[in-house]
Order: sequence, then structure tokens, then C-alpha cells
Amino acid sequence: DTAVSQTPKYLVTQMGNDKSIKCEQNLGHDTMYWYKQDSKKFLKIMFSYNNKELIINETVPNRFSPKSPDKAHLNLHINSLELGDSAVYFCASSSQISGAGYTFGSGTRLTVV
Amino acid sequence: AQSVTQPDIHITVSEGASLELRCNYSYGATPYLFWYVQSPGQGLQLLLKYFSGDTLVQGIKGFEAEFKRSQSSFNLRKPSVHWSDAAEYFCAVGPRTDKLIFGTGTRLQVFP
Repeated sequence: DTAVSQTPKYLVTQMGNDKSIKCEQNLGHDTMYWYKQDSKKFLKIMFSYNNKELIINETVPNRFSPKSPDKAHLNLHINSLELGDSAVYFCASSSQISGAGYTFGSGTRLTVV
Repeated sequence: AQSVTQPDIHITVSEGASLELRCNYSYGATPYLFWYVQSPGQGLQLLLKYFSGDTLVQGIKGFEAEFKRSQSSFNLRKPSVHWSDAAEYFCAVGPRTDKLIFGTGTRLQVFP
């Protein structure tokens, strides 16, 4: 199936741990994103990459580090997790050429205890 | 700076009733406009989009939206709501399709 897939779907971890979320798209899109959705459903962009190059880097703690090994993958690594990092993290992708909008992954629900 | 506002946090309608979800934006030129739907526990799915041309756009699942430049609005409508339409709806705006800002969402509840 053509899609944006994220793993894991659920992640429960203790404060202070380091964790990664992986994202892959097989749509041939050139741009990928990480969004954070808080408990009030507010969606905030964190990062975007275009052809492996960082384009948008919003004001997020530097504990969050994206990595794009190729244009089909965008991973998110989080160091020293805090309670406030608990949220749903969405990966998305888009094509600047087609302009069809974003295709979202199904999300990773991160719970920090 | 561009912004997008969804004035209604929560809307409740009866099944079969008509629906209108409001979206207002602030932007200097005509932006790219989108509506997304998020079912519980799911990612966001594109309902429809507007770039230019006919101001009334049709989307999936029987939804439509109308771009009104004079009102800076892009309201989403459906003539008859089904119980399966219960979800969170997001309006998104951007100068380009790779730089979208999302509204805070409207939660739609449908009663039988």
C-alpha cells in the first residue's frame, strides 16, 4: 500500500529516557514533516525536510533531533524525555510539484511517565 | 503573519441534518486552503483543497467547501451528516502547499 507509515504506534517510557520514532513514505514525495498534536488536538509543526535538507525548524527543544537518511525516511529522536513531551506525533509528506497537500501517518502516541 | 481560525471548538448535529464548519484565515494573498478530517486514533485525511479557479470545491465523503475572498473564509459543508462523520476537522492554510498552518480543529459529534 502506498502510505506514510510510522513506528511505533504507541510508546510508553520513563522520564529521562531517549527514544526514536521512525517514518517512511513510499509516495515519492520530496518533503517530509513532523507535527506534534497536544491533548487539545492542536497541531504544531516541528520540522520539515525537503530532499533530506532541513527546511523548517520551529522552536522546539534541542532534545528533539530529526534525521533524514534519504528522502523517503524522516526519523525523530528525542533525548532526556520529559512529561511535557507526552503527545501524539505525526509524520507527513507532500510533493511540492503536485501540490496535493499533506499525507499523514497514523501517529505515534508518546506517553512519558 | 498568516493565521487560521476555527471559531467552533465543538459542534453537535443530528444525523441527517446539514453541517457547516467555519474557517477564517488571515493572509495577504490567496492562500492554499485545505480541510482535513481526523477520526479517533487516526491520522489526518485530506477532504478537499482549493488553490484557484471555481470557488466551490467538492471533496470526498460528500463534503464541499466554498472560498469567499471578501470574508477570508473557507467553510466546509455537508447537506446531510452521517454518524460516521463524527470526527475532528481541521482547516489548513499556507502560502505554499509545503508550509501549512493548521487551525485548532472543530470536533463534530453526531446524534442519531
